[in-house]
Amino acid sequence: GQQLNQSPQSMFIQEGEDVSMNCTSSSIFNTWLWYKQDPGEGPVLLIALYKAGELTSNGRLTAQFGITRKDSFLNISASIPSDVGIYFCAGQPLREYGNKLVFGAGTILRVKS
Amino acid sequence: GAGVSQSPRYKVAKRGQDVALRCDPISGHVSLFWYQQALGQGPEFLTYFQNEAQLDKSGLPSDRFFAERPEGSVSTLKIQRTQQEDSAVYLCASSLVGRTTVVPLHFGNGTRLTVT
Repeated sequence: GQQLNQSPQSMFIQEGEDVSMNCTSSSIFNTWLWYKQDPGEGPVLLIALYKAGELTSNGRLTAQFGITRKDSFLNISASIPSDVGIYFCAGQPLREYGNKLVFGAGTILRVKS
Repeated sequence: GAGVSQSPRYKVAKRGQDVALRCDPISGHVSLFWYQQALGQGPEFLTYFQNEAQLDKSGLPSDRFFAERPEGSVSTLKIQRTQQEDSAVYLCASSLVGRTTVVPLHFGNGTRLTVT
């Protein structure tokens, strides 16, 4: 099936640093999304991107939908301890309906205070 | 409640037992999804309901998996004759109808199934 390659697998950064993670695919996606999952909870939507080239911010988070429609990145500025968790990219494949999503394997973010 | 509610939170089953996992979606949400999340992985699509109709079950891994939503609200995912490879977190999610575009998908906290 379709796969999303998410990197890095994990990150261990200092509080206050900026963070960048990305997601790539060999296939085109209609929509890219970024979710955060805390232990014992379900994923929570952070940002949704609907058009190639779109750059969207949500507070300290910024994400972009790659122009080729095969990649996306998420940046977190000035990280704080509550940013810890697992970040997933997800995409809606070209010929699938809304919310039938393919997820990456996640980036584990750990922040040193 | 305001969010998607799943029960039980944890389920331990002996291999060969049947299990039933329940999902209460957000009131008014027409679309309901089940995803399976193995340890250290992202969620994987299992099945999709629009109201009571199961429109897509292409992600169900075997015929031991069965899902229903008879009245278009609460859904149950049933796994018969559980195997160790069924151990995972089962996530339910609901949304307003989004046939072509993605609309915000609200996930429950999942049921962690462990098959011993």
